[in-house]
Amino acid sequence: EVQLVESGGGLVQPGGSLRLSCAASGFIFSDHYMDWVRQAPGKGLEWVGRIRKTGTGHAPEYAASVKGRFTISRDDSKNSVYLQMNSLKTEDTAVYYCARDGRDYGGYFDYWGQGTLVTVSS
Amino acid sequence: DIQMTQSPSSLSASVGDRVTITCRASQSISNYLNWYQQRPGKAPKFLIYDASSLQSGVPSRFTGSGSGTDFTLTISSLQPEDFATYYCQQTYSIPRTFGQGTKVEIK
Repeated sequence: EVQLVESGGGLVQPGGSLRLSCAASGFIFSDHYMDWVRQAPGKGLEWVGRIRKTGTGHAPEYAASVKGRFTISRDDSKNSVYLQMNSLKTEDTAVYYCARDGRDYGGYFDYWGQGTLVTVSS
Repeated sequence: DIQMTQSPSSLSASVGDRVTITCRASQSISNYLNWYQQRPGKAPKFLIYDASSLQSGVPSRFTGSGSGTDFTLTISSLQPEDFATYYCQQTYSIPRTFGQGTKVEIK
């Protein structure tokens, strides 16, 4: 059974940093691109970024709203993907989901974690 | 960036009703269009990919259609568990973008 479990959310002050983790199981992690998606309270879904499979030679890609502040990485030996969030703003408050990309090109997010809440507030 | 626009933003319907949600892309995305369902407090659930292909395990009352810029999600006979918010998403290009969502409520 495919499982994605996020952790690391919490309360942080504006300007602070937080690192989210997503632990994967039930599939060959290294075979899949992985994405992060967020949802502000009462709002819709917003794609944050993605990381391709190791060895593709491509850098992670990001939404304009987080580029330069957020960094996605992965550790295939730990079946995990990470989201390092720096210079956090109040508008980054959201539930953050990791999602598996079911196909390399023109894919779809076939499995999602349960989400972890990040609150940016003083 | 490709903008995705859903209509309506919300609708009220009864169990057994046929429901149609539309999604329009700001430019052609071929058939790289996915649909997700999200119940309150839960993660999104993947329903349909490539505009019309049903994900394994999703009931056949859900159908998707369209290509280019105009797409639809139809629920042929609404069931109690279908009351939720539905999102379309394009995966034609980066950044991936979602529609704003359509909330299906009980009449």
